[in-house]
Amino acid sequence: EAGVAQSPRYKIIEKRQSVAFWCNPISGHATLYWYQQILGQGPKLLIQFQNNGVVDDSQLPKDRFSAERLKGVDSTLKIQPAKLEDSAVYLCASRRGPAAGYNEQFFGPGTRLTVL
Amino acid sequence: DQQVKQNSPSLSVQEGRISILNCDYTNSMFDYFLWYKKYPAEGPTFLISISSIKDKNEDGRFTVFLNKSAKHLSLHIVPSQPGDSAVYFCAAYYSGNTPLVFGKGTRLSVIA
Repeated sequence: EAGVAQSPRYKIIEKRQSVAFWCNPISGHATLYWYQQILGQGPKLLIQFQNNGVVDDSQLPKDRFSAERLKGVDSTLKIQPAKLEDSAVYLCASRRGPAAGYNEQFFGPGTRLTVL
Repeated sequence: DQQVKQNSPSLSVQEGRISILNCDYTNSMFDYFLWYKKYPAEGPTFLISISSIKDKNEDGRFTVFLNKSAKHLSLHIVPSQPGDSAVYFCAAYYSGNTPLVFGKGTRLSVIA
């Protein structure tokens, strides 16, 4: 079974530029998450999707961040415009559904974003 | 406010000895706790979990202990191996599909 795929793996941009990250979850996984992990911190949830609907985006800075999962499979996370403090690893994760425990949540390798 | 705290940023242990990683939490509503392991340039992977109705869960070399009254849990690795060198995250949530809350992590180095 293929794992969660993310691209790009690394991205360097200047502040005020825009950037987009892509995630393809494990096949059949209805629930998809985007986390932000700042250096020295644990992952923090940005947004949770169930199929193509948003379940929780309470911690997403909506003035600059947006995410979509139009067909209920892969997802994109966009930052526009980027700030220095957005430098972090952006992790995508998926699980079969809300009935599955978090022990069945699988993470992708992440995209490391550096904002200069 | 940090609801899940890992107060030791790093820990070094000799190969073959016991590694003990600690985690404290402040939200008494948490009833499930997990430990994740993370290697560089990889995403976290699930290691072991415990629900609040238990005080111990064991899986091979890994044991998690939960002390609800102290709001404290610990992960024991016995014996420690060089391949266990990684960052370990403690995480918690409460039932109802609530978000997973992570601690800052502890970097474990197992020295051969």
